[in-house]
Parts: sequence; structure tokens; C-alpha cells
Amino acid sequence: SQELEQSPQSLIVQEGKNLTINCTSSKTLYGLYWYKQKYGEGLIFLMMLQKGGEEKSHEKITAKLDEKKQQSSLHITASQPSHAGIYLCGAVSLRDYKLSFGAGTTVTVRA
Amino acid sequence: DTGVSQDPRHKITKRGQNVTFRCDPISEHNRLYWYRQTLGQGPEFLTYFQNEAQLEKSRLLSDRFSAERPKGSFSTLEIQRTEQGDSAMYLCASSPGTDYNEQFFGPGTRLTVL
Repeated sequence: SQELEQSPQSLIVQEGKNLTINCTSSKTLYGLYWYKQKYGEGLIFLMMLQKGGEEKSHEKITAKLDEKKQQSSLHITASQPSHAGIYLCGAVSLRDYKLSFGAGTTVTVRA
Repeated sequence: DTGVSQDPRHKITKRGQNVTFRCDPISEHNRLYWYRQTLGQGPEFLTYFQNEAQLEKSRLLSDRFSAERPKGSFSTLEIQRTEQGDSAMYLCASSPGTDYNEQFFGPGTRLTVL
């Protein structure tokens, strides 16, 4: 099965600062999803990347996919308390479209 | 709200009891997925349905776990003879069923086995 490694495991940033989360796959990426989760709740879809070099942005969150490196990064600009949570990357299987997830990155934003 | 719903949100049970969880997907979605998430980990795939057909169930954790989607609408996940190791968050997701469609997740059911 596809294994995804996220780094860092957790991070604390001052409000207003930028942050980056990385997701590295052990296998070829055909589709990469980013989700956000508040503790004890379900996952909220952020964005999906399919093509190598693809970059998408939503509000202050930007995600990129580097197919050659089998990596994706999530960048948050000028972080706010609302950005706090657990960020999960997920890779899609071509066979059954199930998602394999990384362990998550816990983001804390300090006021 | 027309998102994915799950019931109950929390379930506390004693070891050895059976539990059943329900998931109602977004109405036009024909794919439905079940995942399990333990503390500090990402969700782990269990099984999925295309309409009423269960297309992948090899990842169900043991024969104590079973899932159904009788009419291709809502789904149930049953755990028989629960064990303390079954304590986790059980998440349901649905998608429209075309390639690479994002999966929309429900709020989850948190199971605690005493």
C-alpha cells in the first residue's frame, strides 16, 4: 500500500507567520488530497492536486505537487488562529479510489 | 445541511457487546467509504461501496467487522464482540464516483470500549 510521510509532525507558529507542511510518498502519486481536521471531528476537504507541477490556492493556503519527487507541500501565508488544526495528506489508489493518509501535522497558531 | 451524516456521534460500550454505526452519504454520491482513525494517526481505509456493491472489504480488520449498504443509500458498519482495541473514531466518506473525485467526510463516530 502507499505510504505517506508528513513533516513536521507538529509545529507552532506565531500568528501572522508563514508555515509549510510536506508530504512525501513511497510510490508514484496519481492524485494528492489535502484535508484539515479539528480534534475529534471529521475531515474538511481543502484541495486536490492531480498533475505534476500543479499548484492550487484557496484563500491563504497554497498546495503544490512535485510528481518527480513524489512530494506535495502545503503553505499557509500569514497564519491565523483559524488555521490551527491537523492537516492530513491523502493519496488516491487507482484501483479502488481509496485514500491512504499520512499521520498528520498538528498546527498550533499562537496569538 | 446536505453533507455526510453519521450516527451516533459517540458510543460507549462494554467489551463483548455488538455495536452498529450508520452513515448517510450525500444523496447523489454512489461511492461510500469507511475509515478508522486512532489517536495520532491518519484515517485507515476499511471498506468501500459502489452503490450497493461492496467492492473492497479485505481491509476490514477482522471477521468481527461487517458493513452493508442495502439499497445503495445509507450504510451500516457493525462490530461484533467489541474489544478494547476497537476504540477509535470511525469515519464515513462519500464521493460522486468519477475518477479522483474528492471524498466528503462525515463528523465520525467515536467508539469507546470499556
